[in-house]
Amino acid sequence: AQSVTQLDSQVPVFEEAPVELRCNYSSSVSVYLFWYVQYPNQGLQLLLKYLSGSTLVESINGFEAEFNKSQTSFHLRKPSVHISDTAEYFCAVRENTGFQKLVFGTGTRLLVSP
Amino acid sequence: EAGVTQFPSHSVIEKGQTVTLRCDPISGHDNLYWYRRVMGKEIKFLLHFVKESKQDESGMPNNRFLAERTGGTYSTLKVQPAELEDSGVYFCASGRTGFYNEQFFGPGTRLTVL
Repeated sequence: AQSVTQLDSQVPVFEEAPVELRCNYSSSVSVYLFWYVQYPNQGLQLLLKYLSGSTLVESINGFEAEFNKSQTSFHLRKPSVHISDTAEYFCAVRENTGFQKLVFGTGTRLLVSP
Repeated sequence: EAGVTQFPSHSVIEKGQTVTLRCDPISGHDNLYWYRRVMGKEIKFLLHFVKESKQDESGMPNNRFLAERTGGTYSTLKVQPAELEDSGVYFCASGRTGFYNEQFFGPGTRLTVL
């Protein structure tokens, strides 16, 4: 079985500041890793994913995440946030074979203020 | 292409009543998933359809929940009778079959049981 821990329920940050949202996972099998984002009054959208290969993955809007197998982490970072990044961010994992269910963390609410 | 749609967007019912949630996946997607988020907690997997067959229903909480996907198109999730702890946001997702099938999420149905 897998589990995901997002220790920070809320992260307040000023516009143009850097941010890191932490994600740690536990699994006895190899996994794929994901970050999803939910903007206010919208559904979940895939932000970025790690399937294999390079451990550093990037999104089109400037976020990046690095898969660290030894620390079982997949932290999300952005060097300079915008007001429009205000949203809830969910880290998720799934087995890379067999069952396709996603296992999510509890989410981190990113609050960007001017 | 149209995204995953869910109906209704909100539902308020009293304990003991019956509610049916509907999900229309993206056209051509054989895989359909249901997830639920109880307030403040993680998004939890409920079940996974491949076409009309239940591939994995390990997350269904109890026999008050019945999911169907007749004809392999849209799906319904019925809760009968509803209890207070069933309140939350119910998400549906769909995806193609393949090496890695991204799950595309709908906006969710917010269910409140009074």
